[in-house]
Amino acid sequence: RKEVEQDPGPFNVPEGATVAFNCTYSNSASQSFFWYRQDCRKEPKLLMSVYSSGNEDGRFTAQLNRASQYISLLIRDSKLSDSATYLCVVTGGSSYKLIFGSGTRLLVRP
Amino acid sequence: DVKVTQSSRYLVKRTGEKVFLECVQDMDHENMFWYRQDPGLGLRLIYFSYDVKMKEKGDIPEGYSVSREKKERFSLILESASTNQTSMYLCASRTGVREQYFGPGTRLTVT
Repeated sequence: RKEVEQDPGPFNVPEGATVAFNCTYSNSASQSFFWYRQDCRKEPKLLMSVYSSGNEDGRFTAQLNRASQYISLLIRDSKLSDSATYLCVVTGGSSYKLIFGSGTRLLVRP
Repeated sequence: DVKVTQSSRYLVKRTGEKVFLECVQDMDHENMFWYRQDPGLGLRLIYFSYDVKMKEKGDIPEGYSVSREKKERFSLILESASTNQTSMYLCASRTGVREQYFGPGTRLTVT
């Protein structure tokens, strides 16, 4: 079983749609959680950290469910520029180590 | 603007060659990392370093070594390149568990 699992997609949605991604992680000791975004042929970049109480950044909302060991990302009012791969990231047993999911691909169509 | 730079964007090497991939960060970060990224497998950690001259194996260190002689520079070495090391190599740095910054990547092809 992978340490971090994501649906690879692609999720193909029209502009303006709301789309949600989930991610599950296996290490109950993980302490920090993130969503990174990776554009085609580019490096990953931090989209947002995920806090226990849930957090929002504009059109993006992240939630953490420690009991079920999953993280979610909700994107409202999708834009064409949101098309990218979204990587779920958690800390491993050591805080040095980030464990990356394989990513969920989002395609937003006009 | 924070920056992680890598020595090459594209590299083509022959089987058996020794390959050096260089990474430099200008953010005074303690921690530096080397990953490879392959379709369907995501980012896999090869080696990391939490201080000058310190290194730790990641998940897939076989066939690789690293060097960190200065805080800002972290080198990945392929002792004898093989075709299964054809991949995208990404360097990253960060402080603590804050945002991790990636370099633009080196696409290495071993023929």
